[in-house]
Amino acid sequence: ETGVTQTPRHLVMGMTNKKSLKCEQHLGHNAMYWYKQSAKKPLELMFVYSLEERVENNSVPSRFSPECPNSSHLFLHLHTLQPEDSALYLCASSRTMGGLAGGRQYFGPGTRLTVT
Amino acid sequence: TQLLEQSPQFLSIQEGENLTVYCNSSSVFSSLQWYRQEPGEGPVLLVTVVTGGEVKKLKRLTFQFGDARKDSSLHITAAQPGDTGLYLCAGNGGSEKLVFGKGTKLTVNP
Repeated sequence: ETGVTQTPRHLVMGMTNKKSLKCEQHLGHNAMYWYKQSAKKPLELMFVYSLEERVENNSVPSRFSPECPNSSHLFLHLHTLQPEDSALYLCASSRTMGGLAGGRQYFGPGTRLTVT
Repeated sequence: TQLLEQSPQFLSIQEGENLTVYCNSSSVFSSLQWYRQEPGEGPVLLVTVVTGGEVKKLKRLTFQFGDARKDSSLHITAAQPGDTGLYLCAGNGGSEKLVFGKGTKLTVNP
């Protein structure tokens, strides 16, 4: 138990569906992250939020839409995804943003997404 | 773009054996981290190394940061089935982003 929870743990969706991934952290952190983990690529940073403001959008297609309503919750809204978007989506949090100085990142267990 | 290459990609050994996995880059990193990720879970931080030449030990795991801060290694002594997992290295090159390698998938057979 890392203090970061993600729901759902597994999701299968069609290309025309709209779904949302949820992340919640119970650590009092101010920075939250979305990562994508594919089978043949390194862990890729998608979005970073610091104090509920988006500070990083790593050239992610607009079919992925993040939302951070408060410092404890982070959502990833999905619509019209492609099969190549199938991956493990990981949420993480840290005390603050800023590499090593921001403190270690704590990862959630991930949502395994399959797009059919 | 800073890249981290990890080798080997896959490693399957018997319980009790020793092993070393590597993390290499052509770029200098201000720090490197090692994570272990078990199936169905997110990565968990094992160690952070920040000084060139630094060696850190965590029970049967020994981590080394290269003198030039471009590479790192993880050595496991007397591996156990509980060591099975994906070992990831991640570097902080001074920006606020962590750059990850693809990982080494380790299987320790009883």
